[in-house]
Parts: sequence; C-alpha cells; structure tokens
Amino acid sequence: EAGVAQSPRYKIIEKRQSVAFWCNPISGHATLYWYQQILGQGPKLLIQFQNNGVVDDSQLPKDRFSAERLKGVDSTLKIQPAKLEDSAVYLCASSPGQGSGNTIYFGEGSWLTVV
Amino acid sequence: QKEVEQNSGPLSVPEGAIASLNCTYSDRGSQSFFWYRQYSGKSPELIMFIYSNGDKEDGRFTAQLNKASQYVSLLIRDSQPSDSATYLCAVYPGGSQGNLIFGKGTKLSVKP
Repeated sequence: EAGVAQSPRYKIIEKRQSVAFWCNPISGHATLYWYQQILGQGPKLLIQFQNNGVVDDSQLPKDRFSAERLKGVDSTLKIQPAKLEDSAVYLCASSPGQGSGNTIYFGEGSWLTVV
Repeated sequence: QKEVEQNSGPLSVPEGAIASLNCTYSDRGSQSFFWYRQYSGKSPELIMFIYSNGDKEDGRFTAQLNKASQYVSLLIRDSQPSDSATYLCAVYPGGSQGNLIFGKGTKLSVKP
C-alpha cells in the first residue's frame, strides 16, 4: 500500500516569496492533516480536512497560509508571503477517519527554509 | 490549553539496557495515546498505541498507561544503537475531534 506522498521534499525561498506544497494521502483515507514541525518541537496541527471539508483550522495563520483539498483527495498548502519563522518541515498526514482510535500516518515531509 | 509534556532529554542509555520514556498530559478526558519515533531528518513513524490502563507489549516495546495519574510511558528493552531517535508522545483529547496533540519529544541516544 502506498504511503502519504508529498512534494517538493525541499524548498529554499526568500522571505516575502510564496511557496506551495502538495500532498496525496493514503488511498481511501478520508481525513487529511497538515502539520508544521519547527526544529526541536513536536508537530503542530495547521489544518484538518474531513473529505473536502475543513474540520479544524484554528492554528492556521490565515493571513499568509491557505490550504485546500479539492475532490476530497489531494491537498495543497500555500504560504504567501513567507516569513523567516516559517522555516520548518511541513508534514502531511492522513487517517481512515477522524476521532480517537484513528491512527495518523505521516508523509516524508516538505522541508522549507526561508532566507 | 490541552498540553502534552515530555522531558526533552537527551536520554542516554548503554546498549542492551532498558530505556524509559515518559509523558504526561493535561486533558483528563483523553482517550487514546500514541508513540511515534522520529529519526533525524525523517518524518514520525508510529511505534504503538494504547487505549486502556495497564501495559501493552509489542516486541521490545512496552507502553504503559495510567489515566488516573495522566501518565503514559514507553519502555524499550534491550536498547540498540538503531533505537537512537526522538520519541514523540501524542494524545487524542476528549471529544470527537480527531486531532492528535504532540509533545516536543524526548531524544534518546543508545551508546554501543
């Protein structure tokens, strides 16, 4: 079974530029997550989708971050304009459903450096 | 604010010893608990999960849960250098929201 796919794996941009990350979840998984992990910290949820609807985006900095999940499968996360503090790894994850008991599986991550 | 606390380490143990990793959580209604391992430069991978009070064993790994004390731990028996990684504790809080809350992780170093 294929895992969660993400691209690009690595990206270096200058501050105030924009960047987009793509994610394809495990086949059949209804729930998709984007996490931000800053070096030395645990992953922090940015946004959670159930099919193509947003369940939780309370920690998404909406003035610069946006995400969509068209047709309930693939998802993109966009940052515009980027700030230095956005340097992190952006982890896409998926699970069969939502709620306690659903194991979350992570992709390899997209590593962003803002200079 | 629902929180998950872990000692950041580093925790250093000799090869063959038992490594004990600890985690506390603030939400008394939390329902399920996960341990992920993260090698440097890699994404988190699931080691095991536990829902009920007591111990759950999987190979060299044992997860222990005490809901009354809001405490969950991971024991690694016969530690190997390949176990050197950061171990993340993650908790589903109470309620229907499917959103894992992660601790900052404990860095484990197993010395040959």
